[in-house]
Amino acid sequence: KQEVTQIPAALSVPEGENLVLNCSFTDSAIYNLQWFRQDPGKGLTSLLLIQSSQREQTSGRLNASLDKSSGRSTLYIAASQPGDSATYLCAVRGEYGNKLVFGAGTILRVKS
Amino acid sequence: DTEVTQTPKHLVMGMTNKKSLKCEQHMGHRAMYWYKQKAKKPPELMFVYSYEKLSINESVPSRFSPECPNSSLLNLHLHALQPEDSALYLCASSQAWSSGNREQFFGPGTRLTVL
Repeated sequence: KQEVTQIPAALSVPEGENLVLNCSFTDSAIYNLQWFRQDPGKGLTSLLLIQSSQREQTSGRLNASLDKSSGRSTLYIAASQPGDSATYLCAVRGEYGNKLVFGAGTILRVKS
Repeated sequence: DTEVTQTPKHLVMGMTNKKSLKCEQHMGHRAMYWYKQKAKKPPELMFVYSYEKLSINESVPSRFSPECPNSSLLNLHLHALQPEDSALYLCASSQAWSSGNREQFFGPGTRLTVL
């Protein structure tokens, strides 16, 4: 059974700092990994999708990497801003089927 | 257009009521999902429809009844709910299992309160 763990559970940083969020998964037989952002009481916004054959994806100040063999992904946020404050969730999809397995999330607070 | 819409945004219902949640997407996706999310927890998968057929039911109680009338619409019918069913209900869509990168797009959710 796939299990996804996110570290740290919460993170508070000053504005402008670069930061890394970590995601690990127990079963390396994944089809893809998706990073989401969720603001309080809102839906999930897809940030980056990495296919199992890819090593990284970039979008603006965000960079996500994937090491499938070791079961790890990182989300790098450059030059953090107060507007980046949210919960960040990673989720993996198995090689077959449509099911996403989520981590518990990292609550990020960027202080101005 | 990568938008998934959900109505209503908020719903308050008694334990004897019958209500429905609605979800719509126009991205041509053939897989649609219902998730339940409790406070400070990740989303939990409830149902998956693929090509308008129910493909996954995560042992959800029968007081929740999903329906996929066509490829763009997904409903969740609610009846005789319990207070512990109060949560944020999220709809999502993606390309189906057999095609594409299957990136999931989520709607804004319906905040359900059961009194």
